Amino acid sequence: NAGVMQNPRHLVRRRGQEARLRCSPMKGHSHVYWYRQLPEEGLKFMVYLQKENIIDESGMPKERFSAEFPKEGPSILRIQQVVRGDSAAYFCASSPRGTGDITNTGELFFGEGSRLTVL
Amino acid sequence: AQSVTQPDIHITVSEGASLELRCNYSYGATPYLFWYVQSPGQGLQLLLKYFSGDTLVQGIKGFEAEFKRSQSSFNLRKPSVHWCDAAEYFCAVAPRNGNQFYFGTGTSLTVIP
Repeated sequence: NAGVMQNPRHLVRRRGQEARLRCSPMKGHSHVYWYRQLPEEGLKFMVYLQKENIIDESGMPKERFSAEFPKEGPSILRIQQVVRGDSAAYFCASSPRGTGDITNTGELFFGEGSRLTVL
Repeated sequence: AQSVTQPDIHITVSEGASLELRCNYSYGATPYLFWYVQSPGQGLQLLLKYFSGDTLVQGIKGFEAEFKRSQSSFNLRKPSVHWCDAAEYFCAVAPRNGNQFYFGTGTSLTVIP
């Protein structure tokens, strides 16, 4: 059973370009979370999605950032017109159920992250 | 507002020594509590979790944590540290009726021979 797969592992973009980060959750998981990790900071929640629905995007910047989790295919975090401050590690995590309905483990399974560098 | 505090940014211990990493949370009701470990360049791996019941929970790799409601703490411990335990450790909480996991800023552990 493959774990959470993120790609690309490393991405370099120039200011103003677009970055697309992909996340394939573990098999059978329908809940996906995106987190951003800045140097020497903890993980900051960005968005929580279920298939075809955004459940909680309270951690997403209002502009330039968007996320989706289509019925088929991976979840995508999209950053338009990147700026240097977007340089960070972006982690995806999946869960078989959301935190609002924990009856089993409720734990998150993390991918290895996508490291975005904006020049 | 919910928050997770890990007061120790960096800890250095000798191999074989005991370890305790502190975690305090601020939340209205007892949330679910977790400890994760992150090795360099890797994602996070769950060490252990507390949902209810026995306040001393056992995890993988010889780690344990104790939930103390009166102190709103969930400190991670290991009796004897090994060099391969060097990593970043994150405490996390998840409200029982919410959608988010809140992470602390992490504690970086260095193990010296």
